[in-house]
Amino acid sequence: EAGVAQSPRYKIIEKRQSVAFWCNPISGHATLYWYQQILGQGPKLLIQFQNNGVVDDSQLPKDRFSAERLKGVDSTLKIQPAKLEDSAVYLCASTGGGQGNFPNYGYTFGSGTRLTVV
Amino acid sequence: GDSVTQMEGPVTLSEEAFLTINCTYTATGYPSLFWYVQYPGEGLQLLLKATKADDKGSNKGFEATYRKETTSFHLEKGSVQVSDSAVYFCALSDRLDDKIIFGKGTRLHILP
Repeated sequence: EAGVAQSPRYKIIEKRQSVAFWCNPISGHATLYWYQQILGQGPKLLIQFQNNGVVDDSQLPKDRFSAERLKGVDSTLKIQPAKLEDSAVYLCASTGGGQGNFPNYGYTFGSGTRLTVV
Repeated sequence: GDSVTQMEGPVTLSEEAFLTINCTYTATGYPSLFWYVQYPGEGLQLLLKATKADDKGSNKGFEATYRKETTSFHLEKGSVQVSDSAVYFCALSDRLDDKIIFGKGTRLHILP
């Protein structure tokens, strides 16, 4: 099966500019996640979708970050305006398991978008 | 809240040495436990998993056993290779909501 697709692969922007990332999950996967991985750290969950609804966005800096999954398939993550500390790899992941589905077999991650804010 | 603590790196070993990367967790429920690997320039890959106490996950010569009594999930390999050089992440997932919480990662260097 095809993996989780993300684009672009790399992006360099100046601070205060805006940027958007796109993710296409594995076909049929109801749950989609966006993670932020700052250099030298583990990935941190930004937002979790179940179909087109938000399950958890408690770690999303809502003053500048937004995400949507309008039709329950593709998702976009936007940063506006970007700050230097937003430089990171943004990972999208999907899983067929949703809330209450056991056991959890782990996710499939995309290759990520490396964002550099200068 | 739930958390994962793993040994800090970098860890440098010679080829064919024995590897242990320690990982402990804190969770209110009975999480699933994972090891992910990130090779240079590549994305995250699931290395192995364990879903209940005393389960042993294994893959590519790596093993980890879910120890509920010590809340640990240490990664081991009997004889490492240069190609094992990567960053290794211990992680857990609360079965109730599926989100994954990662440790900070341990960078492993294997010398020929």
